[in-house]
Amino acid sequence: EPEVTQTPSHQVTQMGQEVILRCVPISNHLYFYWYRQILGQKVEFLVSFYNNEISEKSEIFDDQFSVERPDGSNFTLKIRSTKLEDSAMYFCASSDGHADGETQYFGPGTRLLVL
Amino acid sequence: AQSVTQLDSQVPVFEEAPVELRCNYSSSVSVYLFWYVQYPNQGLQLLLKYLSGSTLVESINGFEAEFNKSQTSFHLRKPSVHISDTAEYFCALRGGATNKLIFGTGTLLAVQP
Repeated sequence: EPEVTQTPSHQVTQMGQEVILRCVPISNHLYFYWYRQILGQKVEFLVSFYNNEISEKSEIFDDQFSVERPDGSNFTLKIRSTKLEDSAMYFCASSDGHADGETQYFGPGTRLLVL
Repeated sequence: AQSVTQLDSQVPVFEEAPVELRCNYSSSVSVYLFWYVQYPNQGLQLLLKYLSGSTLVESINGFEAEFNKSQTSFHLRKPSVHISDTAEYFCALRGGATNKLIFGTGTLLAVQP
């Protein structure tokens, strides 16, 4: 069964450093998403991406964040200058559009720790 | 604004007992509803979903949920739980023109022998 994959599974970085989280969505999916889950809190939407552009973003997704689909398979989230409060589990998700009610399938997550 | 409420942060239950995890939502537009499960140290897995049609939906591992529009609820039930069902369960909705999922705070189902 096809699945969303994410790398790395864990990332430790120093405050102020740039990080890139990588995702490989399910191959025939057209919509891509990033969510995050701060420890002990609910899963929060960050951004959605379709047709090579951001279709929606939350208030959390400020200028420090960016997303990119550099090739036909990868989808990345970049945090330019990490803050302590960026420490969280980051989930990538993808969906195939209206055929499946846009059901989103999630990857296993990347746990980011900012020191 | 749309929201999802999971009133129970933790539900302890003995193995083979029935369980109900509650989910209520608020939305001014029609919604799609989902239950995701997160096993320890793993990501989110889709458990079941309501898109349209029959209001009772089932998963392959014995869970079921019923969409109740009048009560704005989508409670998750299982008649007999196993130790392996121990996990965090998240209710989520998607509604209107937005693609984003709105999640509840999650319910930890703790199954004891």
